[in-house]
Amino acid sequence: DAGVIQSPRHEVTEMGQEVTLRCKPISGHDYLFWYRQTMMRGLELLIYFNNNVPIDDSGMPEDRFSAKMPNASFSTLKIQPSEPRDSAVYFCASSLRGPGTGELFFGEGSRLTVL
Amino acid sequence: KNEVEQSPQNLTAQEGEFITINCSYSVGISALHWLQQHPGGGIVSLFMLSSGKKKHGRLIATINIQEKHSSLHITASHPRDSAVYICAVRPPFAGGTSYGKLTFGQGTILTVHP
Repeated sequence: DAGVIQSPRHEVTEMGQEVTLRCKPISGHDYLFWYRQTMMRGLELLIYFNNNVPIDDSGMPEDRFSAKMPNASFSTLKIQPSEPRDSAVYFCASSLRGPGTGELFFGEGSRLTVL
Repeated sequence: KNEVEQSPQNLTAQEGEFITINCSYSVGISALHWLQQHPGGGIVSLFMLSSGKKKHGRLIATINIQEKHSSLHITASHPRDSAVYICAVRPPFAGGTSYGKLTFGQGTILTVHP
């Protein structure tokens, strides 16, 4: 398996622009997580899905952030409008829950810079 | 006080040394994860533990549920082990929405010199 695939790897945009980050989880995994990593706050969970259904989005900073998972093989995280404080590395991860499982597999991350 | 505390925050070692990174947590958990992140790189899951000890190559992870403490050991350290090591805990499954919410430690920056 190719692992969790994220795109783009790097994005530089101007304040006010819409940003869309994409994630393809490992086939068969039923949990998908979006994390944000900054120097100040470390890793933070933004939202996670189970079987394509959003379970907990309490970590989403504000209404400018939205995430969707239209099917088991694709998820998006959208920021509209973007702000400089959104600059961070955004990681997608997937896992297969069950007894003795639940190990997380991370993508390479999408580094976002908002000017 | 953070729910997950790692120590030390920074660790410098010479190649070949035995290294220990500690993680203490204050909440009930169903599992504890050790993650590795190289500079500018992605995150790799090293171990997921709910009890006892696991070994993979030169890496050993232990957990003591009663003491709410876990350690990550690296034997015969090598410069390529230089990375940030992150401890994360998963709450018990109780039918709610918190199951997927890992709580992360602040990370330990390890530098191994040749």
